[in-house]
Amino acid sequence: QKEVEQNSGPLSVPEGAIASLNCTYSDRVSQSFFWYRQYSGKSPELIMSIYSNGDKEDGRFTAQLNKASQYVSLLIRDSQPSDSATYLCAVRFNKFYFGSGTKLNVKP
Amino acid sequence: NAGVTQTPKFQVLKTGQSMTLQCAQDMNHNSMYWYRQDPGMGLRLIYYSASEGTTDKGEVPNGYNVSRLNKREFSLRLESAAPSQTSVYFCASSEARRGAGSGNFGAGTRLSVL
Repeated sequence: QKEVEQNSGPLSVPEGAIASLNCTYSDRVSQSFFWYRQYSGKSPELIMSIYSNGDKEDGRFTAQLNKASQYVSLLIRDSQPSDSATYLCAVRFNKFYFGSGTKLNVKP
Repeated sequence: NAGVTQTPKFQVLKTGQSMTLQCAQDMNHNSMYWYRQDPGMGLRLIYYSASEGTTDKGEVPNGYNVSRLNKREFSLRLESAAPSQTSVYFCASSEARRGAGSGNFGAGTRLSVL
């Protein structure tokens, strides 16, 4: 069983809509949770981190963490075509474990 | 401020050849990581170094060795390259504290083994 699971997508949303990306993780003493954005052919870029249950907002991005249900999600409000990328979820249990990523397409 | 610098950016090897991928960071981070990324597989940790002088295996260490030369530099060596090691390799660094994200990635090395 993989440590971190994500739906590979692609997830297609129209411009201006809310994109919802989900990630589940295995039962460990989890510490920290992260969302990365990766454009094709580029390196991952950290966009959000969350450590406590609940929501954390940063601009158009909201990360949600539910440790009891072992999932973390990322909401992107007012999606733009420039948000089209692969989004990687990562969990830190001492080391980092990455999901395989969800490809997001935002259509103009 | 360069962040994390990886060299080379591209490399083609023949099966059995050896090479070393270099990584250096200028952010005074304690922890450094080597990942490989294959299509549909996400990032998989090869080795990491929590601090200068220490290294530990990640998910996929077979066929690789690492050296944490000093606080800035962390190299990855392929002793006898195999086609299965064709991949994109990323180096990353972070602060050692628990909440720190592996937020600083190098530009990647695209390696093909023929």
